[in-house]
Amino acid sequence: AQSVTQLGSHVSVSEGALVLLRCNYSSSVPPYLFWYVQYPNQGLQLLLKYTSAATLVKGINGFEAEFKKSETSFHLTKPSAHMSDAAEYFCAVSENSGAGSYQLTFGKGTKLSVIP
Amino acid sequence: NAGVMQNPRHLVRRRGQEARLRCSPMKGHSHVYWYRQLPEEGLKFMVYLQKENIIDESGMPKERFSAEFPKEGPSILRIQQVVRGDSAAYFCASSPSTGAGNTIYFGEGSWLTVV
Repeated sequence: AQSVTQLGSHVSVSEGALVLLRCNYSSSVPPYLFWYVQYPNQGLQLLLKYTSAATLVKGINGFEAEFKKSETSFHLTKPSAHMSDAAEYFCAVSENSGAGSYQLTFGKGTKLSVIP
Repeated sequence: NAGVMQNPRHLVRRRGQEARLRCSPMKGHSHVYWYRQLPEEGLKFMVYLQKENIIDESGMPKERFSAEFPKEGPSILRIQQVVRGDSAAYFCASSPSTGAGNTIYFGEGSWLTVV
């Protein structure tokens, strides 16, 4: 079984400040990890994914995430927040076999607010 | 290149009515998934379909919910005799394959409100 925990349902940062959104996962097999962003009343857009290549993954809009197996974490970061980054962010995990290869398990999401 | 198309975007139904949500996958994608997002929750897997086949419906409620993906036309998620607890955002997604680490593309969702 797999699960995802996102610490902090709401995070506020000032414009230009570092963005750090936390994600910890639980998986019985090597995981694949994803970050999606959801703007109000819109669908999910893939930011980045980890599929067992480089542990530091770069995504769109200046975001990146680092896979740390020892910490079972996949935290999302961006050096400098922009007003347009205000949205809800979801971390998700899938597995490399069976139903887990196509079923994504999502965290509950973190709403990011950017203060001007 | 159109993305995953869902309609209607917003649907209001009275308790006891039926809701039908439609989804056209991205061009070239033959794998369709439905997820449900309840308020303050992450998305939960409901069902995985290929053309004319339900591959995995382990996340579907046992009663009132059904899904299909006919040979021609969009995938349909059908909810019979809706109740207030069915109010949620329903997301369709598609992918070209189901390989490990495969990217799944989501539509913009259909927001169902049951009054």
